[in-house]
Formats: sequence, structure tokens, C-alpha cells
Amino acid sequence: AQSVTQPDIHITVSEGASLELRCNYSYGATPYLFWYVQSPGQGLQLLLKYFSGDTLVQGIKGFEAEFKRSQSSFNLRKPSVHWSDAAEYFCAVGRGDSGYSTLTFGKGTMLLVSP
Amino acid sequence: DADVTQTPRNRITKTGKRIMLECSQTKGHDRMYWYRQDPGLGLRLIYYSFDVKDINKGEISDGYSVSRQAQAKFSLSLESAIPNQTALYFCATSDPGRTTDTQYFGPGTRLTVL
Repeated sequence: AQSVTQPDIHITVSEGASLELRCNYSYGATPYLFWYVQSPGQGLQLLLKYFSGDTLVQGIKGFEAEFKRSQSSFNLRKPSVHWSDAAEYFCAVGRGDSGYSTLTFGKGTMLLVSP
Repeated sequence: DADVTQTPRNRITKTGKRIMLECSQTKGHDRMYWYRQDPGLGLRLIYYSFDVKDINKGEISDGYSVSRQAQAKFSLSLESAIPNQTALYFCATSDPGRTTDTQYFGPGTRLTVL
């Protein structure tokens, strides 16, 4: 069965510093990978997704993620964090075949941004 | 207007009561999903539907039922609510033909069972 691990429950980053959120997945075939962000009191917004092709994926709000098959990872990065990036971030994996596609989410990483 | 709407947005109920959460979408997507979110547990899939005649259990379907009334509507019911069903519930939609199965989420319903 597919699974997703986000090793960090909380991360605190200074405003303007770089950010990397870790995500490891377990899935036997080619995965579909997603990063979602949830701001306080809000629903989930898609940041970026990987299906195939270039392993470095650009998303909204200046985020990017790199798919590394050898490490089963899909880490999210941002070169300079803004206070408005404080939120909870979820990595998710979906089945990459042409049939059903349901998402398995990680438990999330809460990002705190300090002044 | 929002593409995926959920009603109610907040609900407080008592143990044993029947509750229905509703989801409507204007995206024209065939696939719809219900998730629950608990602090520290992320989102877990309750039920999903790939078209009006297709209903499937997710990983935590016990105590829940669903109804797909139309392509645009997918309701989640708690037949007899219990306190450990207190959670934030999200509806989502997707269309693999157009968006490679990216899921789009509603704003959520916060349910409290006393």
C-alpha cells in the first residue's frame, strides 16, 4: 500500500531564510506526487504536482520540489520564506497508473516563520 | 463563486444524532471524495465516487455513509454520531481527463460531536 512520511511535525524558519520540507513516499509504481498548503482556517490549496518528466517542479508562490526516485523523496523548497508562508504543508501520493487514483496524505508539517 | 462548496461550515451536534454534510461542485468533475482531518494525523480518505453510479470505501469508512445524488453533489452521513467523529471534514473533486487527477478541495466543515 502507498504511504507518505513527513518526518518533521514542526519547522521554524526565519523570514528571508531558505526552506526545505521533507517528504518520503512508499509506492511500487511510478507515483503521482503533490504538495498542498493549508493556511489557518482554510481548505487545502495545491502548490505543485509531479507526474512525469522533469524531476524539478515549479509551483505557485515561489515553491519548487524535486522528485528523487532513488531516495523515494519529493522535498519542497523555497529560497526565501515570507511571513505569509506560515501554514501547514501536506505531501500526498496518488497511484500513477491509468486506473483509480486516490491520494494518501502525510501527517503534515507545520511551518512557523519567525521575524 | 467557489468551485467546491460545503454545507454547513460548522456544526455542533450530540451523540447519537444523524448528521449530513453536503458537498456541491461547479467544476464539472466526475470524481468526488470525502476526507477527515484530525490534528497530527493529516487527511484520511472516507469515501470516494468516480461517477454517479460508483461508490467506494476509503481507509476509514466505518460509521459513515455517502450518497452521490448527481454529478455535482456528494453527501456524507453520520448515521449515529459519536464524539470521536469530531473532526474537520473536506470534500474534494478531480477529473483525470483534464487535470491529471489533481484534487480540488472545498473549505471544510468543522463538526463537533458532544
